[in-house]
Amino acid sequence: AQTVTQSQPEMSVQEAETVTLSCTYDTSESNYYLFWYKQPPSRQMILVIRQEAYKQQNATENRFSVNFQKAAKSFSLKISDSQLGDTAMYFCALWDSSYKLIFGSGTRLLVRP
Amino acid sequence: GAGVSQTPSNKVTEKGKYVELRCDPISGHTALYWYRQSLGQGPEFLIYFQGTGAADDSGLPNDRFFAVRPEGSVSTLKIQRTERGDSAVYLCASSLLSGNTIYFGEGSWLTVV
Repeated sequence: AQTVTQSQPEMSVQEAETVTLSCTYDTSESNYYLFWYKQPPSRQMILVIRQEAYKQQNATENRFSVNFQKAAKSFSLKISDSQLGDTAMYFCALWDSSYKLIFGSGTRLLVRP
Repeated sequence: GAGVSQTPSNKVTEKGKYVELRCDPISGHTALYWYRQSLGQGPEFLIYFQGTGAADDSGLPNDRFFAVRPEGSVSTLKIQRTERGDSAVYLCASSLLSGNTIYFGEGSWLTVV
């Protein structure tokens, strides 16, 4: 069965600094996708970044980048130049041929002014 | 519409009552998902539609839960004989094709009293 584990329930970072959120996963598939979603208090899940497992290059979206270690089944999110608007819950998620998006338990990120 | 639309935004119902939650996916999206998110947790998969048919309903917790998508667009999640443990945010999501980026609505917050 697919699993996604986020071992950091809460993280805190000073505005303008860099923070890394951890995620490990397990799947028996060779072809799958990994995602980071942001959920602010408004509840809507917002896609932050997406990584295809067959791509070796780490995905980057402006201040957000990932460190994808396929052999270790690790998928961490790095947020550079943190902004107050980055304060939210962050969920790591796995999609494979089961057609389900499996989520981790989330990391609550607080950006301090 | 521009995004995934869910109604109602909030619903308070008495224990034992019947509830319907509606999801209007992004136009043209063939895949539709329902998730349930309890407080402080990540979303849990309930059911996945490809077109009109439920391709995977393995996440529905029991036979009180049922979902339909009769015309391959709007979907309704139906909960019979509601229990207090059903209280959660019910998230709907859609994607153009299975495996593509999944877009979420803002959710329906159900409270059973």
